[in-house]
Amino acid sequence: EVQLVESGGGLVQPGGSLRLSCAASGFSFSDYYMDWVRQAPGKGLEWVGRVRNKANRLTTQYAASVNGRFTISRDDSQNSLYLQMNSLKTEDTAVYFCARRRSNGCIDHWGQGTLVTVSS
Amino acid sequence: DIQLTQSPSFLPASVGDRVTITCRASQGISNFLAWYQQKPGKAPKLLIYTVSTLESEVPSRFSGSGSGTEFTLTINSLQPEDFATYYCQQLNSYPLTFGGGTKVEIK
Repeated sequence: EVQLVESGGGLVQPGGSLRLSCAASGFSFSDYYMDWVRQAPGKGLEWVGRVRNKANRLTTQYAASVNGRFTISRDDSQNSLYLQMNSLKTEDTAVYFCARRRSNGCIDHWGQGTLVTVSS
Repeated sequence: DIQLTQSPSFLPASVGDRVTITCRASQGISNFLAWYQQKPGKAPKLLIYTVSTLESEVPSRFSGSGSGTEFTLTINSLQPEDFATYYCQQLNSYPLTFGGGTKVEIK
């Protein structure tokens, strides 16, 4: 069974940093591209970014709203995905989902999400 | 960036109704469109990908259609468990984008 479990959320002040983790199991993690998607309270879904697999050089893509502040990385030896968030803003407050990308591009598995609150 | 506009934003409906949700893209996205269902406090769930391919174990009352810039999600004979929010997502180009969502609620 595919499982994605996020951790690391919490309360952080504006301008601060936070690192989210996602532990993957039940599939060959290293083969897949992985995404982060977020959802502000009461709002819709926003794609945050993606890291490709090693075969595609672990390259990344980001939404404009986080580009330059957020960094996605992965450790295939640990079956883990990470989201390093710097220079956090109040508008980054959201539930952050870790997600697996299927080969045809869609997201076929999601974690349960972890809440990040940016507030003074 | 490709913008996705979903309509309506809210859709009051009754059990047994046939409902249709539209997703319009600001430019052509070929067949790179997926639909997700989300219930309160839960992660989204994949329903349909490549416009019309039903994900495994998704009931056949769900269907997708469209091409180019206009796409639809149809639910035939709405069931109690279908009251939820639905999102389209384009997978044609970066940044990937979602529609604003359609909440199907009890009339």
